[in-house]
Amino acid sequence: GAVVSQHPSWVICKSGTSVKIECRSLDFQATTMFWYRQFPKQSLMLMATSNEGSKATYEQGVEKDKFLINHASLTLSTLTVTSAHPEDSSFYICSAIGQGINQPQHFGDGTRLSIL
Amino acid sequence: AQKITQTQPGMFVQEKEAVTLDCTYDTSDQSYGLFWYKQPSSGEMIFLIYQGSYDEQNATEGRYSLNFQKARKSANLVISASQLGDSAMYFCAMREGTDSSYKLIFGSGTRLLVRP
Repeated sequence: GAVVSQHPSWVICKSGTSVKIECRSLDFQATTMFWYRQFPKQSLMLMATSNEGSKATYEQGVEKDKFLINHASLTLSTLTVTSAHPEDSSFYICSAIGQGINQPQHFGDGTRLSIL
Repeated sequence: AQKITQTQPGMFVQEKEAVTLDCTYDTSDQSYGLFWYKQPSSGEMIFLIYQGSYDEQNATEGRYSLNFQKARKSANLVISASQLGDSAMYFCAMREGTDSSYKLIFGSGTRLLVRP
C-alpha cells in the first residue's frame, strides 16, 4: 500500500528553537498533503492543506507565520514550527493523497514535539 | 452541528467476539466518502476501510466491514473475531464531494479495548 514517511518521529528542543518536520510520499505522487495536530486523547485537528507549488491553505485559528508549510515537490512537504514554545508541544502528523476523490489519506507515523 | 459523531468514547470487547463502533454523519452533499482509521498507542493512523455514498454494497476488508445505512446517515464499523492487537483508537471520517480540497472531517474517536 501507499507509504508516507514522516521525520523526525520525536523532537525535544529548547524554547525559541525552530523545528522542521518532513513528510514524504514514498511510492506515489501526492497532489495534496495535510498537516494535523493532535492533543492527548483528542481527535486530529487539521492545521493546513498543502498543494504542490502553491501556498498552503490554513485552517481558521492557525498562525501562518508560526507554522510554515512548504510543498516544494509532489513527494515532499515540510512543516516548520518557528520559535517554538512549550504550548507548541504536541503530536504532529501529516497525510498525503493521490488522485481521485475515493482515495484515502495515507498518514505518516507522526512527530512528537516537546518544547522545554 | 457536528458533521461526524462517534458517541462511544470507549468500548470493551472480549477477544474473538465481534464489536460494532458507531458513526453518524451529517452532510447535504449527495457525493461523499466515509473512512475508518485505526490509531494504536504508537500514534500512526492506519486506513481500514472506505465507503462511497453511491456504493450499493457495504464495504468489507478482511475482518472489517462497514454497516452503511444511508437513510440513517450512519456508517458503523464492525470488527469480527476481535484480536488483542485491535485495541486502539478508531476514528470515523468523512470527505464531502463539494469540497475540492479533499479534506477529511474526523469524529472524536472511540477507544476499543480487547480483553483476553
